[in-house]
Amino acid sequence: QVQLQESGPGLVRPSETLSLTCTVSGGSVSDYYWSWIRQTPGKGLEWIGYIYYTGSPNYNPSLKSRVSMSLDTSKNQVFLTLTSVTAADTAIYYCAKDLRPSMVTAWFDPWGQGTPVTVSS
Amino acid sequence: ETVLTQSPATLSLSPGERATLSCRSSHSLSSHLAWYQQRPGQPPRLLIYDASTRATGIPARFSGSGSGTDFTLTIASLEPEDSAVYYCQQRSNWPPVFGGGTKVEI
Repeated sequence: QVQLQESGPGLVRPSETLSLTCTVSGGSVSDYYWSWIRQTPGKGLEWIGYIYYTGSPNYNPSLKSRVSMSLDTSKNQVFLTLTSVTAADTAIYYCAKDLRPSMVTAWFDPWGQGTPVTVSS
Repeated sequence: ETVLTQSPATLSLSPGERATLSCRSSHSLSSHLAWYQQRPGQPPRLLIYDASTRATGIPARFSGSGSGTDFTLTIASLEPEDSAVYYCQQRSNWPPVFGGGTKVEI
């Protein structure tokens, strides 16, 4: 049973860079595609992008200029970086596993518990 | 970008009643639609994918139907633990997009 746990700073200053970590247990990060998804009261659920241990990440065009994803197979972790943040980036950030191994189905199962991020000075 | 519109916004029903939730897409999705359940303070949980396939461990009272632009999630006989917000999500037209949700109150 794969489990995911997000971590990162709860508060980020405007214009700075947000960095989050997703730690995977019960499975290998090399086996699946991993997505980041965020949730806000105003915009709801928004898919940010996915990454696999080979190939290039795939990002939502709405965030592509500010997003970067990577992973560390030795630590079984997935990372999200979002630059030049504003108040609009205030959200709960989730990492999620793709449903099937080694392929993109874009069905997300399971999700981590999420980490809240506030952008404020 | 594909827009998913869910209705109603809120559904208030009693235990044992049948719930019918709708998700309408601005573009055809074939059968590339999923449903998630989000209980308060919890992350979303995958219920249904490919429009009608139940995810592992999901009770049989949850069923999905539809294709193209109109989809339905049915909860056959509501249990108290079904109180949650339900989201649809499409993957047919990139990027993946979620609907705004339907809140089910029991």
